[in-house]
Amino acid sequence: EELLVESGGGLVKPGGSLRLSCAASGFSFSVYGMNWVRQAPGKGPQWVSSISEGSDYIYYEDSVKGRFTISRDNVENSLSLQMKSLRPEDTGVYYCARALNIMDLWGQGTTVTVSS
Amino acid sequence: AIQMTQSPSSLSASVGDRVTVTCRASQGIRNNLGWFQQLPGKAPKLLIYAASSLQDGVPSRFSGSGYDTDFTLTITSLQPEDSATYYCLQNDYYPFTFGPGTKVDVK
Repeated sequence: EELLVESGGGLVKPGGSLRLSCAASGFSFSVYGMNWVRQAPGKGPQWVSSISEGSDYIYYEDSVKGRFTISRDNVENSLSLQMKSLRPEDTGVYYCARALNIMDLWGQGTTVTVSS
Repeated sequence: AIQMTQSPSSLSASVGDRVTVTCRASQGIRNNLGWFQQLPGKAPKLLIYAASSLQDGVPSRFSGSGYDTDFTLTITSLQPEDSATYYCLQNDYYPFTFGPGTKVDVK
């Protein structure tokens, strides 16, 4: 079974840091681009970042540029999102999603809450 | 960034009805558009990619059409399990952008 499982979410104070992970299984992780998508409470999804199969191409949504870093390990079949200088508006559920055709496989999400 | 709009924002329809949701891009995106269904508390699920291609395992009552700036998602013969929020997503240009969503209620 093809699976993506996110972890690393939690409660953090404004200005703090958090590292999210996404473990992939059941498919050849190294041949797919990957994405992070977040969803604030009661809002629609928002694309956050994308990384190509070999990490050659990386893109970020403007509001996270300079604060978030996406990376991947094709040996460990994992995707990461290092988040720094967190703001209350970063609160939400963070999903990793595989990029085949478009975001065809999603994890269950991990919740990030930025609050004092 | 490309802005995506959807209409209507919500609708209510009966089992067996034909339902259409529209999505408009602020600039041309060729056919680089997908449609997602999201149930409460769940991750979005891909229904349609490349504007009109049905994702594996998705019932054939779902279909998509459109090109450039105007797109539609059609659900023929609406079923109770289709109660959900539907989002379009453009993946032609970064930053990828989602529409604001259409909530479908099945009476």
